[in-house]
Amino acid sequence: DAGVIQSPRHEVTEMGQEVTLRCKPISGHDYLFWYRQTMMRGLELLIYFNNNVPIDDSGMPEDRFSAKMPNASFSTLKIQPSEPRDSAVYFCASRLPQGSGNTIYFGEGSWLTVV
Amino acid sequence: GQNIDQPTEMTATEGAIVQINCTYQTSGFNGLFWYQQHAGEAPTFLSYNVLDGLEEKGRFSSFLSRSKGYSYLLLKELQMKDSASYLCAVRTHFGNEKLTFGTGTRLTIIP
Repeated sequence: DAGVIQSPRHEVTEMGQEVTLRCKPISGHDYLFWYRQTMMRGLELLIYFNNNVPIDDSGMPEDRFSAKMPNASFSTLKIQPSEPRDSAVYFCASRLPQGSGNTIYFGEGSWLTVV
Repeated sequence: GQNIDQPTEMTATEGAIVQINCTYQTSGFNGLFWYQQHAGEAPTFLSYNVLDGLEEKGRFSSFLSRSKGYSYLLLKELQMKDSASYLCAVRTHFGNEKLTFGTGTRLTIIP
């Protein structure tokens, strides 16, 4: 079975450039999460969607970050303009509907370096 | 704010038993999760506790005491492949799927 698929796996970009991270959740999962992981702050939730609708975006750092989920099988996280402090691993994750289990499945992550 | 504490690092011997503790002070509680994360890889689910007591799953067990805001992950018959970071996470509100993670405990298994 295909897991959560993220792209790109690695990206190095210059400060000020736009970065778009992509995610395909596991089929049948109606929750999608975007997490960010750094050494200093650990794993932090940025935003999550349920049935393509953003439910909690309280973790989105600032207006430079935006996330969309146009359909059940695709989501994007965009950073514009990017800054060096955005360097982190960005994980997308998904899970089954309520009542069908609590496990969140993570993708392999997108390793972002902003120079 | 939400506060989840775990030891930063631990070392244990192959074949032995190790207990990784997690304490939490959160605005609410609706479940505690343990995840394993090998270096450079994604976190993978280990266990879930929502009621007090012990949940056993093979070599791994997880315990919860809601009144004490305390959980532990117990790993038995340690193997070298158990060297990884172990993340404790709390879901604070029913109906909100946000998990708040601790910074993780890096466990090193030595021969």
